[in-house]
Amino acid sequence: KAGVTQTPRYLIKTRGQQVTLSCSPISGHRSVSWYQQTPGQGLQFLFEYFSETQRNKGNFPGRFSGRQFSNSRSEMNVSTLELGDSALYLCASRTGTSSVENTEAFFGQGTRLTVV
Amino acid sequence: QQQVKQSPQSLIVQKGGISIINCAYENTAFDYFPWYQQFPGKGPALLIAIRPDVSEKKEGRFTISFNKSAKQFSLHIMDSQPGDSATYFCAASMREYGNKLVFGAGTILRVKS
Repeated sequence: KAGVTQTPRYLIKTRGQQVTLSCSPISGHRSVSWYQQTPGQGLQFLFEYFSETQRNKGNFPGRFSGRQFSNSRSEMNVSTLELGDSALYLCASRTGTSSVENTEAFFGQGTRLTVV
Repeated sequence: QQQVKQSPQSLIVQKGGISIINCAYENTAFDYFPWYQQFPGKGPALLIAIRPDVSEKKEGRFTISFNKSAKQFSLHIMDSQPGDSATYFCAASMREYGNKLVFGAGTILRVKS
């Protein structure tokens, strides 16, 4: 069974640009969450999608957005990039249900974004 | 109140020894407590998880001890091996906030051979 796939693995962008990151969850998983990992702030929750709907959102500015497609694949977008957006962006996949039961979250290898 | 405090920040253990990492939380609404292991260049991998109705859970060399009254939980790695050298994160989540995981700051474990 394939794991969570994130593309691309590495990205270098310039301040002011925008970027789109992609996540393919484990087959059959319907919930996708995104996290930002930095040395200073650690692992922070960005948002969660379930059945194409945003179910939960962290404390990030509106420049961070996401979406989920009917096949459960998800993308996140960061507009007007800032130097502080340099981080490892991680996607987590869960089976998910229509309720908000906690289930195991499986992470991808992440996309390393560097803003210069 | 949504924070999870993790200690120590780093830990050096001899091969064969016991590694112990501790976490504390404030919000009693947390109802799921997983531990993750992360190697450089990789995403976090789920090691073991516990719910508050259980005081201890063991999977192989990994054990979670949970103290509900003290609002603390810990990870014990028995017979630590050099291959266990990694960063370990505790986390917590609650049904009220869906599946949002709140992570501790992480512990860098080094097992010396």
